[in-house]
Amino acid sequence: GAVVSQHPSWVICKSGTSVKIECRSLDFQATTMFWYRQFPKKSLMLMATSNEGSKATYEQGVEKDKFLINHASLTLSTLTVTSAHPEDSSFYICSARVYYEQYFGPGTRLTVT
Amino acid sequence: DAKTTQPPSMDCAEGRAANLPCNHSTISGNEYVYWYRQIHSQGPQYIIHGLKNNETNEMASLIITEDRKSSTLILPHATLRDTAVYYCIASKGSGNTGKLIFGQGTTLQVKP
Repeated sequence: GAVVSQHPSWVICKSGTSVKIECRSLDFQATTMFWYRQFPKKSLMLMATSNEGSKATYEQGVEKDKFLINHASLTLSTLTVTSAHPEDSSFYICSARVYYEQYFGPGTRLTVT
Repeated sequence: DAKTTQPPSMDCAEGRAANLPCNHSTISGNEYVYWYRQIHSQGPQYIIHGLKNNETNEMASLIITEDRKSSTLILPHATLRDTAVYYCIASKGSGNTGKLIFGQGTTLQVKP
């Protein structure tokens, strides 16, 4: 149990376009979901926390207008990278929390050309 | 959330126990100790968590000192597939302040 999926697993897009990444908790309902990004050989960096039905809380330094988060239901959260630029190329990972345990998706590799 | 300190890297022989230490001297009474691992290019995998008592599951054991200032994750019989970066995190685990903030972790290399 406790499976989190992400879609797509990898995406290549042109600079200036927007990309949407989906995160789903498959076998449990998650009141809280989180979005992280990870650069090569670096640790995970928390971007934002989202609760179902309310606005996401962004970490300091993360542009809320660039990284749009929608937490539509207890099993689905989406991250939209708007007007993507090459510096947004990264590994994006979501996680979902149930009780005191947090489970992570497999990640989405975004490459902006 | 309390800061944790881990050695940057460790080696372990295949089949032997891997003991990964973590210092969290500023941990507060309501913060749990979480362990995750990340195998290259995958999302982190939950291993175990605990508050005060030692914990064991099918993957590992977690030993927390009585003063809760440090802990050790034990993989009883390490295999090559246990090669990964291991993260020790102190967190309340719930609510908006219960976020998991990742440090640099320990890179465990299991050798044949």
